[in-house]
Amino acid sequence: KAGVTQTPRYLIKTRGQQVTLSCSPISGHRSVSWYQQTPGQGLQFLFEYFSETQRNKGNFPGRFSGRQFSNSRSEMNVSTLELGDSALYLCASSPTTGSMNTEAFFGQGTRLTVV
Amino acid sequence: AQTVTQSQPEMSVQEAETVTLSCTYDTSESDYYLFWYKQPPSRQMILVIRQEAYKQQNATENRFSVNFQKAAKSFSLKISDSQLGDAAMYFCAWHTPLVFGKGTRLSVIA
Repeated sequence: KAGVTQTPRYLIKTRGQQVTLSCSPISGHRSVSWYQQTPGQGLQFLFEYFSETQRNKGNFPGRFSGRQFSNSRSEMNVSTLELGDSALYLCASSPTTGSMNTEAFFGQGTRLTVV
Repeated sequence: AQTVTQSQPEMSVQEAETVTLSCTYDTSESDYYLFWYKQPPSRQMILVIRQEAYKQQNATENRFSVNFQKAAKSFSLKISDSQLGDAAMYFCAWHTPLVFGKGTRLSVIA
C-alpha cells in the first residue's frame, strides 16, 4: 500500500506570492492533517480535514487555508507569503477522525523556502 | 490548551546501552493518547509507541518502553540496547489533535 505522498518535495517562493501544497493520503484514509515544522516553533498543528470538512484548526492566520477533495486528497494554500513561512510542511493521514487511538501516518513533507 | 514539554534538547547514548527521554504534558482531559514519534534525517515521522491514558500498564514495543505517570503527567521513553539506527529526533505528542513537544535529538555513539 502506498504511503502518504506530498508534492512538491521542495519549493522556493518569493515574499508576497502564494503557494499550494498537495497531499495524497493512504488509500482508504479519510482524515488528513497538516503540520508546520520550524526550528524555532517546532511542530505545530495547522488543520485537519475529514470527508471534505475542516474538523479542527490550529492557531494560524487566515493566510493559511486548506481543502479536501472527494477522493480525500488535500491541498493547503498559503497566501501573501512571509519569510517566516519558510518551514517543512508535513501532512498526515488517518483512517478516521476523532479517534485518539488512530495512528497518523506522515508524508515526507514539503520544504518551503520563502526568499 | 494542551502543552507538551521535552526538557532535553539533546541526548547521547553508547551503542547497546539504555537511554531515557523525558516528556511532561499538561491537559485537563481525562481520556487521551500519548505517542512517541521518531524523525530520522529523512524527515519521515515514524510512530515508535503509543499509550492509552486510561491504561495503567506501560506500553512496550520491542526495545522501546514507556514510563507513564498519569498523576504526574509524565511520559518518558526508554530505549534499551540502543542501535545506531535509533539516532534521530524524538517527539512526544498528545492526541488529538497531535500536540508535539520540541523534540530531543538522540545521538548513538558506536
